Amino acid sequence: DTEVTQTPKHLVMGMTNKKSLKCEQHMGHRAMYWYKQKAKKPPELMFVYSYEKLSINESVPSRFSPECPNSSLLNLHLHALQPEDSALYLCASSQVLGGNGQPQHFGDGTRLSIL
Amino acid sequence: QKEVEQNSGPLSVPEGAIASLNCTYSDRGSQSFFWYRQYSGKSPELIMSIYSNGDKEDGRFTAQLNKASQYVSLLIRDSQPSDSATYLCAVIRAAGNKLTFGGGTRVLVKP
Repeated sequence: DTEVTQTPKHLVMGMTNKKSLKCEQHMGHRAMYWYKQKAKKPPELMFVYSYEKLSINESVPSRFSPECPNSSLLNLHLHALQPEDSALYLCASSQVLGGNGQPQHFGDGTRLSIL
Repeated sequence: QKEVEQNSGPLSVPEGAIASLNCTYSDRGSQSFFWYRQYSGKSPELIMSIYSNGDKEDGRFTAQLNKASQYVSLLIRDSQPSDSATYLCAVIRAAGNKLTFGGGTRVLVKP
């Protein structure tokens, strides 16, 4: 069991659907991250929030929209996704951003399939 | 040159032997180094962090860091079939806040 909880574990959606991925941590961490991981590849950073503010956007298409409602929650809103967006979406958190290299702890991920 | 490089493997190791994984990085100013283990279809799990030159041991795992040669390694002693996984080396560069991953090394421990 991880201390970063992601829901749902699996999601199948059509290209016209709107859905959201959720991530929650109760470790008091102030930095939260979204990654995308394709099969046999390392995780790719998408977004970073630091103290509930968007700090890094890795030029992610606008069909992915992140939101950080409070220090424990991170959402990723999905709309009009493409089949190539099918992947494992990982949420991670760390104590702070940067700061002597705090390790990131990952949730179990959401396996997303776009039909 | 990739920022963080690992041999993709697979690294095949007999049960009970030592598995030795290597990782090199390009940014000489990098300060923080991590090893994650990832089972197929699962998320990465942090197994080691190392920040200064030398060895760091945790159970059957030993991480070794050599900043002058820009490499970090992971030794798995008494390898078990349950150690079969992909091991990701990750580095935080000095100038940024991002975690940069290597491509991962797949390890296969054969009974």
